[in-house]
Amino acid sequence: DQQVKQNSPSLSVQEGRISILNCDYTNSMFDYFLWYKKYPAEGPTFLISISSIKDKNEDGRFTVFLNKSAKHLSLHIVPSQPGDSAVYFCAASDLNAGGTSYGKLTFGQGTILTVHP
Amino acid sequence: EAQVTQNPRYLITVTGKKLTVTCSQNMNHEYMSWYRQDPGLGLRQIYYSMNVEVTDKGDVPEGYKVSRKEKRNFPLILESPSPNQTSLYFCASSLIPRDYEQYFGPGTRLTVT
Repeated sequence: DQQVKQNSPSLSVQEGRISILNCDYTNSMFDYFLWYKKYPAEGPTFLISISSIKDKNEDGRFTVFLNKSAKHLSLHIVPSQPGDSAVYFCAASDLNAGGTSYGKLTFGQGTILTVHP
Repeated sequence: EAQVTQNPRYLITVTGKKLTVTCSQNMNHEYMSWYRQDPGLGLRQIYYSMNVEVTDKGDVPEGYKVSRKEKRNFPLILESPSPNQTSLYFCASSLIPRDYEQYFGPGTRLTVT
């Protein structure tokens, strides 16, 4: 059962335009969400996160929006640059979980973003 | 430089031949974890460790073993690899209790024939 889903395997945008990557989750216990970016032949690197007590978090060109009622989050990149071309993973966690779920991140399948010059 | 290192980066092996993928971090992190990445499935946790000598299963532990004898090292052991363990493997580490920004190694691409 995929608790975190990224239903778009790929997204293609023009340089300078907005990129919107989406993520849905089913586990209502998730209360912390992260986006990771992955270039080929490298490990994922942390990009931005949001706690469930917020509905928006911004860091430069990157903004994450959280809609708890819809169990949906999105990552906006404005303006998009060719260097943003990568695989983006959404991840979720339950900060209050104990036992085998302690510290665990549940990842989505990833979305390949291609930004054309 | 703060980093997580993995070795080897690429490995082709045959069914049944025991192998170990090493992972080391220099950030004094307590929490370490192994993931595998497969097409259409994202990253799935194999095993994790909350500290030295404390390890537990993740979502897909079958066919894998781990050990945590030192804080910095967290090797992944495949006692008898099978073709369904062909995958891209990532080691990650973070501070605990509430730092969920995990730092990932560069990955190990394993092919089992």
